Amino acid sequence: NAGVTQTPKFQVLKTGQSMTLQCAQDMNHNSMYWYRQDPGMGLRLIYYSASEGTTDKGEVPNGYNVSRLNKREFSLRLESAAPSQTSVYFCATSRGSNQPQHFGDGTRLSIL
Amino acid sequence: GENVEQHPSTLSVQEGDSAVIKCTYSDSASNYFPWYKQELGKGPQLIIDIRSNVGEKKDQRIAVTLNKTAKHFSLHITETQPEDSAVYFCASKRGSSNTGKLIFGQGTTLQVKP
Repeated sequence: NAGVTQTPKFQVLKTGQSMTLQCAQDMNHNSMYWYRQDPGMGLRLIYYSASEGTTDKGEVPNGYNVSRLNKREFSLRLESAAPSQTSVYFCATSRGSNQPQHFGDGTRLSIL
Repeated sequence: GENVEQHPSTLSVQEGDSAVIKCTYSDSASNYFPWYKQELGKGPQLIIDIRSNVGEKKDQRIAVTLNKTAKHFSLHITETQPEDSAVYFCASKRGSSNTGKLIFGQGTTLQVKP
């Protein structure tokens, strides 16, 4: 998955802690997305950014905030982590909203 | 609401056999249908996609068919190889949406036995 870099790859948090997941792309894509993947539920969209300077809620935004720092970077923040947010988080990018999406390798987050 | 059902959840085939995974979508306005392959510890990788103006698309051993009337689409893998073993996800996207929002199926774990 060259082109979409997510950091960190793994993280363990305690309930109530905060954390920011980072995503950077070098594909010069306009649109960026954050998904979470849970067993048996496929991937669900948390937030997306259709273009630099814009962000919108997806299917499961509660408990999260995002920042589209510039065209390359899109971060996901958990202000007060809860065990229900234990998941694998994927960032994706696309040239435009009607173009194929390309995924990073994910951040595996556990909240105790 | 929008929904994509994917079947089967697990599929085991012998090397060289064909594998078929089926998805049904609920939103009749959907017009873009990608398929992703996910290997252990990796992100989903796009392997093929189809838009609603065509009924079938092929890429070497992989093909996707779309039946808009029945609102279902299928992934066909021929001459399967052990390296095809992975989790496969289908997805759909609403045509009128400018969000890029994909609705994913629940995934199919494919095992190809040597």
